[in-house]
Amino acid sequence: DQQVKQNSPSLSVQEGRISILNCDYTNSMFDYFLWYKKYPAEGPTFLISISSIKDKNEDGRFTVFLNKSAKHLSLHIVPSQPGDSAVYFCAALPAGNQFYFGTGTSLTVIP
Amino acid sequence: NAGVTQTPKFRILKIGQSMTLQCTQDMNHNYMYWYRQDPGMGLKLIYYSVGAGITDKGEVPNGYNVSRSTTEDFPLRLELAAPSQTSVYFCASSPRQGNSPLHFGNGTRLTVT
Repeated sequence: DQQVKQNSPSLSVQEGRISILNCDYTNSMFDYFLWYKKYPAEGPTFLISISSIKDKNEDGRFTVFLNKSAKHLSLHIVPSQPGDSAVYFCAALPAGNQFYFGTGTSLTVIP
Repeated sequence: NAGVTQTPKFRILKIGQSMTLQCTQDMNHNYMYWYRQDPGMGLKLIYYSVGAGITDKGEVPNGYNVSRSTTEDFPLRLELAAPSQTSVYFCASSPRQGNSPLHFGNGTRLTVT
């Protein structure tokens, strides 16, 4: 029962263009959402988050959008850089203490 | 500041063997977690702890045990290793419950043959 879904296992983007990573969730009780970035042989590192009271949060090149009615979350990276090549996980938290993670999207930024 | 440190990085076990995955954090975080990641899957919560002396089961606790005698350490024990426990294990911590990102270690890759 995957409550957080990332339907694209992989994505390739040219350097300088926009990368859009998508995430869908099923539980309307989720109220906090995060994106993590993971390089090979390392643990996930926190990238950006958004609370359900917002629909957008920006941090430099990274912007997260939340569409609560569609239960959809997206991460925009502009402009994409080769160092952004990694696996990106979305995660969601209901009003509790257990995070639910998506299966990840592997982003490749082509120089 | 080391953050969350996991040892070992890699381990191969035979079926039925036991081992302890070590996790320590130096951020004085009360909350600690163990996750496993299988290929093509999201991270699944095994056990978590809200403070020294307090642990609770997550989504996939069978075959594992934990203890939390100090704030810093949260070891994960496998008593009778099975091939289904082949996975990458991540330890994480956070300063509080709720809207706070998790800080992850670099993982332990375990193979049971």
